[in-house]
Amino acid sequence: AQSVTQLDSHVSVSEGTPVLLRCNYSSSYSPSLFWYVQHPNKGLQLLLKYTSAATLVKGINGFEAEFKKSETSFHLTKPSAHMSDAAEYFCVVSGGGSQGNLIFGKGTKLSVKP
Amino acid sequence: GAGVSQSPRYKVAKRGQDVALRCDPISGHVSLFWYQQALGQGPEFLTYFQNEAQLDKSGLPSDRFFAERPEGSVSTLKIQRTQQEDSAVYLCASSLATRRGFYNSPLHFGNGTRLTVT
Repeated sequence: AQSVTQLDSHVSVSEGTPVLLRCNYSSSYSPSLFWYVQHPNKGLQLLLKYTSAATLVKGINGFEAEFKKSETSFHLTKPSAHMSDAAEYFCVVSGGGSQGNLIFGKGTKLSVKP
Repeated sequence: GAGVSQSPRYKVAKRGQDVALRCDPISGHVSLFWYQQALGQGPEFLTYFQNEAQLDKSGLPSDRFFAERPEGSVSTLKIQRTQQEDSAVYLCASSLATRRGFYNSPLHFGNGTRLTVT
């Protein structure tokens, strides 16, 4: 079965400093992995996805993630945090099967201090 | 352009009442998903439609939950005899892709319906 573990429920950074949101995955085959962001009272938005092409994936708003098979990790990073980055971030793995169900982690709440 | 629209935005129901939650996907989107997001948790899969066909309902937590998409566009999630544990945000998502092309076409999520059962 596929699963993801987000290692931090809450991360707090200062504006202008780097962001690191950690995610480990478990999959019995080569997975598809995603990061989604959820701003308060807004719908989930896709940040980036990995589907077995390049291991370093660039997404929107300056975010990127690196797929590391040896570490079963897919950490999300951004060089410099902005106040507008404050939100909930979800690491997601494809559930397999023909329907393409997505399996979400529990989420990491990112706070950005001025 | 118009995104995925869900209504109502908020719903308060007394325990034992039936509720119906509506999802208007993006026009032309083939795939439609329902997810349940409990407080402080990530969304969990409930059910999947390809056009009007419900191809996967393995995530529905009990037979009190029922979903339909009769004409392959608007979908309704119905919960009968609501219980307090049904309190959650219910998310709808749609995609242009069929299941074979799913990973090449992103899911578009609605803002959700927050259901509170008292």
